Amino acid sequence: SAVISQKPSRDICQRGTSLTIQCQVDSQVTMMFWYRQQPGQSLTLIATANQGSEATYESGFVIDKFPISRPNLTFSTLTVSNLSPEDSSIYLCSVVGQESTGELFFGEGSRLTVL
Amino acid sequence: AQKVTQAQTEISVVEKEDVTLDCVYETRDTTYYLFWYKQPPSGELVFLIRRNSFDEQNEISGRYSWNFQKSTSSFNFTITASQVVDSAVYFCALYGNSGGGADGLTFGKGTHLIIQP
Repeated sequence: SAVISQKPSRDICQRGTSLTIQCQVDSQVTMMFWYRQQPGQSLTLIATANQGSEATYESGFVIDKFPISRPNLTFSTLTVSNLSPEDSSIYLCSVVGQESTGELFFGEGSRLTVL
Repeated sequence: AQKVTQAQTEISVVEKEDVTLDCVYETRDTTYYLFWYKQPPSGELVFLIRRNSFDEQNEISGRYSWNFQKSTSSFNFTITASQVVDSAVYFCALYGNSGGGADGLTFGKGTHLIIQP
């Protein structure tokens, strides 16, 4: 199984600012996924990040609001821009443990609170 | 379209009771995979089990057991002799591979399990 580290683990930000979340994996992976978990809710896929190409965003999520970088096969960042209280969520990075089955391993999550 | 329904929003039981978490899914894929994840209060997601659509054998792992019923599109999770440490949110998830390649899982809304001492 992959070991996934996310930074920061939690942060409190002011409205209108941005937060960048880092995700580091201990092995090379083709695809990385970013999920959002709003308070008391399930997980929603934000985007899929492949190395060397632009991220693919799910319906309801746009690049201007959630820019993603994927500079190499072990690292990705998700930025949440122009923060509002509605962005308060846990953001989770995940990688495929076994591509044929869709099994995912998750980072510890980054808990964001926007004031 | 894929859908996962966990009708139980919250379950509260007393320690040592058995508890079953329900999961019903919808998919048009003939090949698919079902998962259970545990999310303790600390927030991380812990993988518990994966089951493919061709394997309807029930599985037991210690106090945990899973009942996969393809005829009713259900993949229920039972904890026997529950313990306080089992308190967490449990997510059922589905992956169908008709599109080829992984494109993320479809998660249910989760069941918040509270084990009271």
